[in-house]
Amino acid sequence: GAVVSQHPSRVICKSGTSVKIECRSLDFQATTMFWYRQFPKQSLMLMATSNEGSKATYEQGVEKDKFLINHASLTLSTLTVTSAHPEDSSFYICSALLVDTQYFGPGTRLTVL
Amino acid sequence: AQSVTQLDSQVPVFEEAPVELRCNYSSSVSVYLFWYVQYPNQGLQLLLKYLSGSTLVKGINGFEAEFNKSQTSFHLRKPSVHISDTAEYFCAVSDPNTGNQFYFGTGTSLTVIP
Repeated sequence: GAVVSQHPSRVICKSGTSVKIECRSLDFQATTMFWYRQFPKQSLMLMATSNEGSKATYEQGVEKDKFLINHASLTLSTLTVTSAHPEDSSFYICSALLVDTQYFGPGTRLTVL
Repeated sequence: AQSVTQLDSQVPVFEEAPVELRCNYSSSVSVYLFWYVQYPNQGLQLLLKYLSGSTLVKGINGFEAEFNKSQTSFHLRKPSVHISDTAEYFCAVSDPNTGNQFYFGTGTSLTVIP
């Protein structure tokens, strides 16, 4: 139980394009989901907290207009990286909160050329 | 806000030897504690968690951890490691009173040597 999926697992795009990453809780409903970014050999950096039916809460320093988050249902949150640049290349991980525990997706490797 | 310290960034250990990965957190107030494992290019998998009750918590893959309130620690142990345990391990803390935010340590890279 408590399975979270992410799609795509890997994406390569050109600079200036937008990329959408989906995060789904497969066997439970999640009012709250989280989006993290992870640089090589480093810990997770929380980008934003996504709440179903309301606006996401962004961490300080994260551009809300660049990283658009939508949590339209209790099983799906999406992260759209708009006008992507090479510095946005990273590993993006989502998680879904079930009661008191976060369950993580497998991550999405974004490479911007 | 909480802070989580994982003192050892890298831990090499021989196969079948015991291992302890250390985790300390900052606040003495009520907390929930977690250990996650991350294999290369994958997300985090929950190993075990402490919410309340017995201070010794057993998790998957033969791991266990002990909550020590007086020392604000939650060290992870395994009596005999396997090659497949080679991975990154993250300790995390959340405050049950303030809800959902997790605070992660910087991670410990465990390398099991054949």
